Formats: sequence, structure tokens, C-alpha cells
Amino acid sequence: DVKVTQSSRYLVKRTGEKVFLECVQDMDHENMFWYRQDPGLGLRLIYFSYDVKMKEKGDIPEGYSVSREKKERFSLILESASTNQTSMYLCASSFLGDQPQHFGDGTRLSIL
Amino acid sequence: QKEVEQNSGPLSVPEGAIASLNCTYSDRVSQSFFWYRQYSGKSPELIMSIYSNGDKEDGRFTAQLNKASQYVSLLIRDSQPSDSATYLCAVNPDLNAGGTSYGKLTFGQGTILTVHP
Repeated sequence: DVKVTQSSRYLVKRTGEKVFLECVQDMDHENMFWYRQDPGLGLRLIYFSYDVKMKEKGDIPEGYSVSREKKERFSLILESASTNQTSMYLCASSFLGDQPQHFGDGTRLSIL
Repeated sequence: QKEVEQNSGPLSVPEGAIASLNCTYSDRVSQSFFWYRQYSGKSPELIMSIYSNGDKEDGRFTAQLNKASQYVSLLIRDSQPSDSATYLCAVNPDLNAGGTSYGKLTFGQGTILTVHP
């Protein structure tokens, strides 16, 4: 079975902090994705990566950056956390081509 | 803007009935389609993939794809209270001529299904 592991299920941080969310997959997937999900807004793509050190902006990249130094690990960074970044963050991965994405359990992040 | 639209719901069906979830998409060249189930507070879980026109059955689930009409549906037979969840339709566009989708999916907003005893 595909395993996508996010480092924290719940996280509480303060405004202005630099926040790191980690995601690791064990299936040698080329593609990795970061989403946020808010009530009424559905899944929104923040960033994705299709290879090591390669990244592309998604629909809402402002205030975020990413890092992919190894194929299995994709990190989402909130440069200076703000309260409007309180959300559920979901990591997903997939093989190249028309394969489905597999999601981690999510991190519920609260910025106070 | 490529769009995926799902029937707005919420959808409520009695236990044992057939639940029908529908999805239409705007990008005519889309080639792969997925249904995810998401329980409240949990992450989306893949339940069906479909790539060709017609029906694909997996247990109580049947996915139906009609590319000419640009719709994909999910039928849940003998619905159970444990099927109560939000169902997300996702579409993978097929970018040709040197482009690639990099596996990006366009998700619908989801349909909330409640199965009552």
C-alpha cells in the first residue's frame, strides 16, 4: 500500500513564526503536492513538484515556499505565519502520467 | 479555467438504497478520472479510477464514464451508514504538444452523502 506520512496531525504556531510541514512518501513517486482545505473552498493546490529540486506554483502559492531535496520528501514552509493560514494541510503523491494521487492524513494547523 | 462540477447535495438516501453521485467536467481532452471519499476531519481516500468509456465495478461501487457527454458518475449500491462522507470527483487533464499535467488533478467541490438507517 502507498504510504504518505505527514509529520504532525495537529500543530499550533504563533503569528510571524516560520513553520515547516514535512511529508514523506515510500512509493518512489515522482510527483508530490501540497494542498490546503478550508470549509466551502474545497481543495486548493499550493505547490507541487515533479522531480527532485523541481517545483511549480499552484493556485495559491503566496506566503508559502517548498523544498524537495530528496525524492521521497516534500516540505511546505510558511515563511511568516499569519492567522489566515490556519487550515488543514494535505500532502499527496503520485507517479508520472495519469495516475491517481494518494494523500497523507493531513496536518491541522492553527496560527494564533 | 478548467472546471469540475458535482451535484451540489447534500444527498440523503436510506440504508440499502442506491446513491448516485454525478460529476461534469469542462476540459474535453481529459483522460483519467478519480473518485475520492473523505470522512469528516480525515483526508481524501481513493476509491475508484476510470480511464475508458463505460462502467467499472468494484464491490458495491460502480464508476461510469461518458467522455462524449463529459460526465462521470459514481453509484453506490446497498448504501450503508458507513458510506456517509463527502465524495470528491477529480479529473486529470491530458496536455499534449509538449505540455504535461505533472499529475495535477482538478477537484470538484464534493458532494456530501448521508445514508440514514
